[in-house]
Amino acid sequence: AQSVTQLDSQVPVFEEAPVELRCNYSSSVSVYLFWYVQYPNQGLQLLLKYLSGSTLVESINGFEAEFNKSQTSFHLRKPSVHISDTAEYFCAVSVRSGGSNYKLTFGKGTLLTVNP
Amino acid sequence: DSGVTQTPKHLITATGQRVTLRCSPRSGDLSVYWYQQSLDQGLQFLIQYYNGEERAKGNILERFSAQQFPDLHSELNLSSLELGDSALYFCASSLLGASFYGYTFGSGTRLTVV
Repeated sequence: AQSVTQLDSQVPVFEEAPVELRCNYSSSVSVYLFWYVQYPNQGLQLLLKYLSGSTLVESINGFEAEFNKSQTSFHLRKPSVHISDTAEYFCAVSVRSGGSNYKLTFGKGTLLTVNP
Repeated sequence: DSGVTQTPKHLITATGQRVTLRCSPRSGDLSVYWYQQSLDQGLQFLIQYYNGEERAKGNILERFSAQQFPDLHSELNLSSLELGDSALYFCASSLLGASFYGYTFGSGTRLTVV
């Protein structure tokens, strides 16, 4: 069975500092990878995804993630964070669960806190 | 607004009771997923429906059940509630039954069992 490990449960950083949120997955088959963000008192929103092609994917708000097949990782990075980036970030893997059906499995989340 | 509507937003009930959570998927999406989010367990997949039929089952307790109606809205029924059932319950939807484009999540129902 596939699993997702987010290595850090909490990451505190100062505003304008770079950040990396780590994610590793275990799967012996092809996967699709996602990062979701959850702002306080809200549902999860899709931040970016890797389906195929270029291993570096970007979001509209400056985050990027790189798919590394050999290391089974999909770390999320941002070169300079803002206070508004404070949120919980979830890494997820989508694997075929039967027939043409896929299922998302989420990591436990990383709480990013950006301090002034 | 994500397009996925969940009601109610908050629910407080006593142990032993039964509640129903409702979800309307985004327009055009046929698949509905239910997740439970708690501090100790994280985000746990409960069950998936596709066009009215159960498609996949996760860590859903026997006290919990769900269904998807012909208009595609879904309900999650939680019975014989225990304190440990207190959590955020999310509904998500996707086009068809494939999630390789990701899900669209609702804003959740916060259930508190007292």
